Amino acid sequence: GESVGLHLPTLSVQEGDNSIINCAYSNSASDYFIWYKQESGKGPQFIIDIRSNMDKRQGQRVTVLLNKTVKHLSLQIAATQPGDSAVYFCAEIEGAQKLVFGQGTRLTINP
Amino acid sequence: DTGVSQDPRHKITKRGQNVTFRCDPISEHNRLYWYRQTLGQGPEFLTYFQNEAQLEKSRLLSDRFSAERPKGSFSTLEIQRTEQGDSAMYLCASSLLIADTQYFGPGTRLTVL
Repeated sequence: GESVGLHLPTLSVQEGDNSIINCAYSNSASDYFIWYKQESGKGPQFIIDIRSNMDKRQGQRVTVLLNKTVKHLSLQIAATQPGDSAVYFCAEIEGAQKLVFGQGTRLTINP
Repeated sequence: DTGVSQDPRHKITKRGQNVTFRCDPISEHNRLYWYRQTLGQGPEFLTYFQNEAQLEKSRLLSDRFSAERPKGSFSTLEIQRTEQGDSAMYLCASSLLIADTQYFGPGTRLTVL
């Protein structure tokens, strides 16, 4: 079946630096993508979403980029803070219903 | 707190016992979803409701699992005759509209001994 995957399982950055988390998807019909942040022992927390009619969307310190040509999206976090340490998942909506998640990237912010 | 809530947060049970989890979605959200997450993996879809109607069930949802949403508000997920392989985090999410953002609760961590 279709799947959503992530390029790197772990990522470490220095506090204050920018981080980029990548995600590849295989379903060319996907039209809605969401990034979630999950801290240990907690449920996934919505960060930002993007629909296929957009290439870029910005939030507070976060930017999501969507490249439909190569079926790739990324999450950029600016000026990382210790509280950004978590596992980040990209997910796509399948059939306008369920979310299909990748395995996640663990982001560690070093002081 | 107006977010999705789940109860209990943790459950330890012995193999063969039945367990039931509850999810209270965000008020007025029509859609309610159940997911299961094992260590190191992303959440996997189990089932979802549109109001009180259960519209889809994953093949992951064996006949030992049953979910209900009797009044279109809270939902329960019951696992009968638990097995060690059922140990996981059970997550509930809700959304207002079709293909809308799903907001997750804190999850129920199940440990089957």
